[in-house]
Amino acid sequence: GAVVSQHPSRVICKSGTSVKIECRSLDFQATTMFWYRQFPKQSLMLMATSNEGSKATYEQGVEKDKFLINHASLTLSTLTVTSAHPEDSSFYICSARDSGGPGNEQFFGPGTRLTVL
Amino acid sequence: DQQVKQNSPSLSVQEGRISILNCDYTNSMFDYFLWYKKYPAEGPTFLISISSIKDKNEDGRFTVFLNKSAKHLSLHIVPSQPGDSAVYFCVGYGGNQFYFGTGTSLTVIP
Repeated sequence: GAVVSQHPSRVICKSGTSVKIECRSLDFQATTMFWYRQFPKQSLMLMATSNEGSKATYEQGVEKDKFLINHASLTLSTLTVTSAHPEDSSFYICSARDSGGPGNEQFFGPGTRLTVL
Repeated sequence: DQQVKQNSPSLSVQEGRISILNCDYTNSMFDYFLWYKKYPAEGPTFLISISSIKDKNEDGRFTVFLNKSAKHLSLHIVPSQPGDSAVYFCVGYGGNQFYFGTGTSLTVIP
């Protein structure tokens, strides 16, 4: 089955530093990837839609200058949390849509736990 | 390797009847399980969860059953309503990671 990986799985950083999270589709091509933020026992909040070769589309209320998204290839999207603060601590989950699949299936990554001290 | 499996990609149910969505998993170390509901063009919405030490959790019309010996869980929706039509994801959480199933598309027919 289709697999989406995320790296790193967990990261701890100091306030003010930047953190990059990678999302990869391992055995399929994904022209579209999605970035979510997970709050404890709450819904996944869609942050942005990442399109290969073009700028990401951000949801209302998400700062595009703080959460930089790059979708440089059909199998890789990156999310960079710039100047991270403790309130950015969360689970970040990506998903990828299989461009060659029969429908609009989304496959989710395992998540990255970010802890900002 | 898909650690959480939803073998039925779609399900159709008449309004008012029970919807049963099934999920199987291979990792016996999951701490808890979650169900998410997703409408098109929106992010998944948390629905209900169950700890791995429980065998049932109920919230209104939604009940989740966990059978650890069979590594199987199911989500029951009763009575089903047209607004329940969505894709449902089964998720296992363990080792600080989430493992999503591939989803089951539920259609509730009025």
